[in-house]
Amino acid sequence: GAVVSQHPSRVICKSGTSVKIECRSLDFQATTMFWYRQFPKQSLMLMATSNEGSKATYEQGVEKDKFLINHASLTLSTLTVTSAHPEDSSFYICSARDNLDVSSFGPGTRLTVL
Amino acid sequence: KQEVTQIPAALSVPEGENLVLNCSFTDSAIYNLQWFRQDPGKGLTSLLLIQSSQREQTSGRLNASLDKSSGRSTLYIAASQPGDSATYLCAVPWGDYKLSFGAGTTVTVRA
Repeated sequence: GAVVSQHPSRVICKSGTSVKIECRSLDFQATTMFWYRQFPKQSLMLMATSNEGSKATYEQGVEKDKFLINHASLTLSTLTVTSAHPEDSSFYICSARDNLDVSSFGPGTRLTVL
Repeated sequence: KQEVTQIPAALSVPEGENLVLNCSFTDSAIYNLQWFRQDPGKGLTSLLLIQSSQREQTSGRLNASLDKSSGRSTLYIAASQPGDSATYLCAVPWGDYKLSFGAGTTVTVRA
């Protein structure tokens, strides 16, 4: 099946720094990737849709200048949390849509901002 | 946008009992529905995907049914095992292949 990886799996950073999270589709090309955020004991909330070669589409309430998304190739999308603050601490999960329109999810990245 | 509700929020059963997890969604015009498993601190594992033309889908001890007209899906897990302990999420697509997730049902199977 389709495999999606994320790196890093866990990151701890100081408030005010920026953190980049990578999402890769390992055995297929994904023109569209999605970024979700999950707070403790809550479900996944879609943050943005990442489209290869074009600007990302952000969901209502998600600050595009704070969560920078770059989909530079058909196998890589990156999410950069700029000037991170403790309230940005969360579990970030990406997914990639394959050519059968099935979404495969990455293992997630746990971000802790001190 | 879809609103997805899962009942119950938590479930604790002794080993061997069958599990019934419910999912409801507001817009019946879906083209598929997925059930996922999430272990604590981990990502999502896809369990079953039901296409809109299907009434049910089976994989081993797992069986998922779909009733589009009533906006409901049910995940059955037969003969539960301690290893089935996890959070189970259902998700339905909306817009351009985005997924709306329910809050999940956290299952504990007691040995």
